[in-house]
Amino acid sequence: GAVVSQHPSRVICKSGTSVKIECRSLDFQATTMFWYRQFPKQSLMLMATSNEGSKATYEQGVEKDKFLINHASLTLSTLTVTSAHPEDSSFYICSARDGRGYSTDTQYFGPGTRLTVL
Amino acid sequence: GQQLNQSPQSMFIQEGEDVSMNCTSSSIFNTWLWYKQEPGEGPVLLIALYKAGELTSNGRLTAQFGITRKDSFLNISASIPSDVGIYFCAGQRSNTDKLIFGTGTRLQVFP
Repeated sequence: GAVVSQHPSRVICKSGTSVKIECRSLDFQATTMFWYRQFPKQSLMLMATSNEGSKATYEQGVEKDKFLINHASLTLSTLTVTSAHPEDSSFYICSARDGRGYSTDTQYFGPGTRLTVL
Repeated sequence: GQQLNQSPQSMFIQEGEDVSMNCTSSSIFNTWLWYKQEPGEGPVLLIALYKAGELTSNGRLTAQFGITRKDSFLNISASIPSDVGIYFCAGQRSNTDKLIFGTGTRLQVFP
């Protein structure tokens, strides 16, 4: 089956620093990847849609200058949390769509990255 | 952002019992998906539904796409301890990639 990996799985950083999270599709090419944020005991909230070779589309209320997304290849998307603050501490999960680009193609989720900002 | 309402919020059941949970929306979706998430992990797809009224099974799991297209149901038969986790529904509208997730149902199974 399709596998999506994330790195790192956990990261602790100081307030004001930047953190980069990688999302890779290991055995398929993903023209579209998605980034979600999940706070404790809450559901997944879509942050942005990442398309290979073009700018990401951000959901309302998500600061694009704070959450930088780069989708430079068909198997890799990165999310950089710039100038992180404690309120950015969360579980960040990516997903990648496997298929020919139809909206009904299955999305496979990564294992998530736990970010803690001190 | 929008979320779908799931009920119940949590369930505590004994091993062997059947489980039912549902997901409702104020608007129509063209695809309904059910995921399971275990602590510290990403969600795993259980069942996908693409047509109103569709009933689909995956082992002990059965899900239905409501005929109004505003709801979906998930049933788990003969629960076992490894069924423990949080179950999320997700809806998807036509011509869009976006998934809108439900609020989740936390399932605990006691031996």
